[in-house]
Amino acid sequence: EAQVTQNPRYLITVTGKKLTVTCSQNMNHEYMSWYRQDPGLGLRQIYYSMNVEVTDKGDVPEGYKVSRKEKRNFPLILESPSPNQTSLYFCASSFFGRDVEQYFGPGTRLTVT
Amino acid sequence: AQTVTQSQPEMSVQEAETVTLSCTYDTSESDYYLFWYKQPPSRQMILVIRQEAYKQQNATENRFSVNFQKAAKSFSLKISDSQLGDAAMYFCAYRSAQGAQKLVFGQGTRLTINP
Repeated sequence: EAQVTQNPRYLITVTGKKLTVTCSQNMNHEYMSWYRQDPGLGLRQIYYSMNVEVTDKGDVPEGYKVSRKEKRNFPLILESPSPNQTSLYFCASSFFGRDVEQYFGPGTRLTVT
Repeated sequence: AQTVTQSQPEMSVQEAETVTLSCTYDTSESDYYLFWYKQPPSRQMILVIRQEAYKQQNATENRFSVNFQKAAKSFSLKISDSQLGDAAMYFCAYRSAQGAQKLVFGQGTRLTINP
């Protein structure tokens, strides 16, 4: 089954404790992206990757890191989480092209206390 | 930069009735895509309908249709014969046809279906 998986689905952590949210897709997509969803703001792009070893900032990259060492994986790293990073996070992937659909992961609910 | 605005934070409709969700966007591009996504309580993002800017015909998917007004930069979603399963958060989104595949989302509209 074609899918994007994220782990963990729920995470409660404390300020400053490094964490990684994993994202994996099995569709051989070149493009992968992270979004965060906050009430009243919709989803905003954090980082994206156009291929292995190629990553770039989105609209809200502060406090996040990413890596793309393998085509299927695109982890999101919070090296020193803060309460303002409490949010719902989505990973998405797609092929490149005009008429392509982005596939979203199930979301990760992160709470930083 | 492109922006998407959904001015209705919440909407409600009686079951079996029709409801229209509004979306406006701002762009200087002429070639782009517009989308409506549904997010039920499970939080999964589900693509409802998509519209290509260079197509004048409004997209339809079963009970879902759009009213795409390119000059006015308006992209509303009409849900006919509303069902309880339609209750969800709905997001309007924009994507340029050029370059990266970034989606720009609106703030969302929470739709409640009254039985």
